[in-house]
Order: sequence, then C-alpha cells, then structure tokens
Amino acid sequence: SAVISQKPSRDICQRGTSLTIQCQVDSQVTMMFWYRQQPGQSLTLIATANQGSEATYESGFVIDKFPISRPNLTFSTLTVSNMSPEDSSIYLCSVEGGDSYEQYFGPGTRLTVT
Amino acid sequence: GNSVTQMEGPVTLSEEAFLTINCTYTATGYPSLFWYVQYPGEGLQLLLKATKADDKGSNKGFEATYRKETTSFHLEKGSVQVSDSAVYFCALISNDYKLSFGAGTTVTVRA
Repeated sequence: SAVISQKPSRDICQRGTSLTIQCQVDSQVTMMFWYRQQPGQSLTLIATANQGSEATYESGFVIDKFPISRPNLTFSTLTVSNMSPEDSSIYLCSVEGGDSYEQYFGPGTRLTVT
Repeated sequence: GNSVTQMEGPVTLSEEAFLTINCTYTATGYPSLFWYVQYPGEGLQLLLKATKADDKGSNKGFEATYRKETTSFHLEKGSVQVSDSAVYFCALISNDYKLSFGAGTTVTVRA
C-alpha cells in the first residue's frame, strides 16, 4: 500500500481566512480523493482529483470554497477558503490502490476554526 | 444510489468477548466491500476486504463474509483486546469508483 503524508497535521484558524492542506504520496497514482470528517461523523467525499484535469466535486461542495490542485502524480492540495466554524473537521486525502479499487488514507488534518 | 448501513454504537465490551458489528448495503452492480478502522487520533486503515460473493476477508483476527443474498458484510472477532478499541467503518465501492461509508461504530474494550 502507498505511504501518504499530510501537512499540516492540525491547525487552528480564524474565521474568514484560508488554509491549504498538502497531500504527498510515495508512489505515482492516478486518482486522489479528498474527504471531510465532521466531529463524530462518517467520511464525506469532497472531490476526486486526477492529474491533468479539473477536480470533480460532489454535491454540496464547490470549487470556490474548496479549490484543489493536482500538479503531478504524487501530490495534491486542498484549500479551505473563507473559513467558518462549520468547516471545523478532519480533512483526509486518499489514493486508489490495489486490484479492488480500495483506497488508502493519509493521517488527516484536524482543522479548528474559531 | 449506493448506501451502507451499520450497527449503531457505541459498543462496550470486556476483553476476550466476542464482537459483531452488523453491516448491510445497497448498491448497483457488484460492489467490493471493506472494513476500515480508525484508532484514536489516527487516520483510517484498511482492515479487510472482499470483492465477490462468499469471499471472506480476514486480518488481525477479524473476519467478514460477503453475503450477496442478504446484502451483508458483518464484522466479527472472537476475542477482543483493549487495543481493538477504535471506530469501525463499513464501506463499499462500485462502478463509479467512489467509496461509500457507513456511519461508523465506536468500540470500547475494557480490561
């Protein structure tokens, strides 16, 4: 399985600011995914990011709020823009791996917005 | 659309007890099924998987069997340890390559 790192691991941010989260993989992957896990909740897919194309967003998530970059096959960023306390969550990136399309997850970024 | 329903928690057990977490699903096509585990303060780890009917996934003493007739993938472990305390997520992936997760079940094992 791939080794995935995320930066920062946690942050406390002020309302109205933006935070960019980085996701680095130790091997080249086609598909990367970004999820949000609100406190005590399950994971919700934000978007799918393929290298060389625009990210595909799920219902309820828009590019202006969560812009994503995917400059190469080992790296992606997610920006949480104009933050509000409702954005306080754990943000996880994942990559596709294996023959069953399972996904492997990074350690997550714990974001608190005050 | 695809959906996963898993047993409500939290579940509290004593060490060496038997653990079952129920999971049922709705999906188009022939999904692959997964159990993920999230230990306190950590990210998600793939615990086990099954890709077709009657497959049994197993890892770390945990088992789950893909039951197409009952659309279920229940997780079991015969003798839990304190270190098994975590949140367990049932999930599936189908033709759209997107993971759908259940709500998660918090398991606490007491010594």
